Amino acid sequence: QQQVKQSPQSLIVQKGGISIINCAYENTAFDYFPWYQQFPGKGPALLIAIRPDVSEKKEGRFTISFNKSAKQFSLHIMDSQPGDSATYFCAASTTGTASKLTFGTGTRLQVTL
Amino acid sequence: DAGVTQSPTHLIKTRGQQVTLRCSPISGHKSVSWYQQVLGQGPQFIFQYYEKEERGRGNFPDRFSARQFPNYSSELNVNALLLGDSALYLCASSWGQGAGSPLHFGNGTRLTVT
Repeated sequence: QQQVKQSPQSLIVQKGGISIINCAYENTAFDYFPWYQQFPGKGPALLIAIRPDVSEKKEGRFTISFNKSAKQFSLHIMDSQPGDSATYFCAASTTGTASKLTFGTGTRLQVTL
Repeated sequence: DAGVTQSPTHLIKTRGQQVTLRCSPISGHKSVSWYQQVLGQGPQFIFQYYEKEERGRGNFPDRFSARQFPNYSSELNVNALLLGDSALYLCASSWGQGAGSPLHFGNGTRLTVT
């Protein structure tokens, strides 16, 4: 049972543009939503995370928007750079068991010059 | 500071064989989790160990087992390998279990079963 749905599967954005990746979850017990970035040959690295008590969290060029009623959250990458080209995964868990993450299927982002 | 280290980096096994993967967490981290990442998919949770006790298990068959040692390092064992076990196996460590202690992943062990 896929509990976290992620879209799009792939995304091409021009340098300086905004990259937007969306995720939807089913389990209402989830209350911790991290995003991970993965480069080829590397393990996932935590980018930014949010809990449902806030609707938005920003760290540098990365922003998470969260809609609890719709059970959706999204990652916005502002001023996208070629170095941002990677695969991005959304994930979800309960705060008490944050090590047990349910991941989305990933979005392959390519930022062109 | 050293990150999460996994060994070996690559491994080729034959169907029916057994394999042991190893993980050393970041110094001071007491929790180790294992994930399986099939090509083109997101990682799937296999196990979590905290203070040497199993604290969570994903939807994987009993052929998969793990343990954590007194120094907090961990091993993942897979018996009776199937072709479908071919994947990147990721180890992640954290100092605790809650959301305040995020997971730090290693670069994984690439297992190929022929």
